[in-house]
Amino acid sequence: GAVVSQHPSRVICKSGTSVKIECRSLDFQATTMFWYRQFPKQSLMLMATSNEGSKATYEQGVEKDKFLINHASLTLSTLTVTSAHPEDSSFYICSANHATGGEEKLFFGSGTQLSVL
Amino acid sequence: SQKIEQNSEALNIQEGKTATLTCNYTNYSPAYLQWYRQDPGRGPVFLLLIRENEKEKRKERLKVTFDTTLKQSLFHITASQPADSATYLCVSMDTGRRALTFGSGTRLQVQP
Repeated sequence: GAVVSQHPSRVICKSGTSVKIECRSLDFQATTMFWYRQFPKQSLMLMATSNEGSKATYEQGVEKDKFLINHASLTLSTLTVTSAHPEDSSFYICSANHATGGEEKLFFGSGTQLSVL
Repeated sequence: SQKIEQNSEALNIQEGKTATLTCNYTNYSPAYLQWYRQDPGRGPVFLLLIRENEKEKRKERLKVTFDTTLKQSLFHITASQPADSATYLCVSMDTGRRALTFGSGTRLQVQP
């Protein structure tokens, strides 16, 4: 089946530094990828839609200058949390659409736990 | 606005029983609904997809129904096992507008 690889799985950083998270579709091409954050015991919150070759579309309330998204190729999207602060600590997950058997499904990365000290 | 509602309270059942989770949608008609399983600290994993013109879909011990009149999808796990304990998410994707709507997820706990 389709695989989405996300790295790193866990990162601890100091306040004020920037952190880059990678999301790769390993065996299919993804023109669109999605980025979410999730707080403990809460559901996924869609942050932005990453579009290959164009600007990302951000959900209301998500700062685009804070969460930089780059989708430079059909298999890679990156999310950079700039000048991270403790309130940015969260579980970040990416996903990509892939049509299999005539049905379009979401395939998720394994997530990145970000802890900002 | 589009909205999906899942029971936010955890569902606790005894091993061997059938678990039934509910997903209700309002203010739109999704082309299809998807169900995912999420374990703590992991990304969701796809389980089943059901289209609006399908009443029911099955996969091993899993069954999903789609009632466009009630605007509801039910997700059943028969002969439940402790390993089925996880959070189950209902997701709809409007292929026309490429809009995703997530339910808040329901946590299932199967007691041995």
